[in-house]
Amino acid sequence: QVQLVESGGGVVQPGRSLRLSCATSGFTFSRNGMHWVRQAPGKGLEWVAVIGDDGTAEVYADSVKGRFSVSRDNFKNTVYLQMNSLRSEDTAVYFCAREHSHGNWFFDWWGQGTLVTVSS
Amino acid sequence: ETVMTQSPATLSVSLGERATLSCRASQSVRTNLAWYQQKPGQAPRLVIYGASTRATGIPARFSGSGSGTEFTLTISSLQSDDFAVYYCQQYNNRPPVTFGQGTRLEIK
Repeated sequence: QVQLVESGGGVVQPGRSLRLSCATSGFTFSRNGMHWVRQAPGKGLEWVAVIGDDGTAEVYADSVKGRFSVSRDNFKNTVYLQMNSLRSEDTAVYFCAREHSHGNWFFDWWGQGTLVTVSS
Repeated sequence: ETVMTQSPATLSVSLGERATLSCRASQSVRTNLAWYQQKPGQAPRLVIYGASTRATGIPARFSGSGSGTEFTLTISSLQSDDFAVYYCQQYNNRPPVTFGQGTRLEIK
């Protein structure tokens, strides 16, 4: 059974950093691109970043480019989101999501999400 | 960036009736359109991809249609489990992939 479990969320001051993790199981991790999608409280979904199946390709939303970095460890079946220079507008639930198939950037499995609150 | 617009924002429908949700793209996305269902406190769940293909485990009462810029999600004979927020997402013109703002489907 496919499972994605995020961790690492919490309350952080503006300008500080946080690293999210998404541990996966139940599928061959190295075969799928992995994405991060966020949802501000009471708002809709916003795509944040993707990392390709072999970790060589990373793409970011303009809103986080230069501040966030996505990585993966195909031995640990885990994807990470390093978030630097956090702003209040980064407050959201962060979901990791599995790309359905290569090049098709829609998401067939999601984690339960981890809440990041940026506040002084 | 392709802007996705969903209508209506809220749809009130009775149990057993049909619900029709709309999604419009600001430019063609061909059939690279997905629908997700999200219940409070839960992650989104894939319902439809490729504009009309049901995801694994999705009941046949869910159907999707459309291409280019106009899309529809239809839920026939609504059941209590279907009441949720539904989002459309285009994955043709990326990056970025973009989502609609959601339609809240509520019991009338």
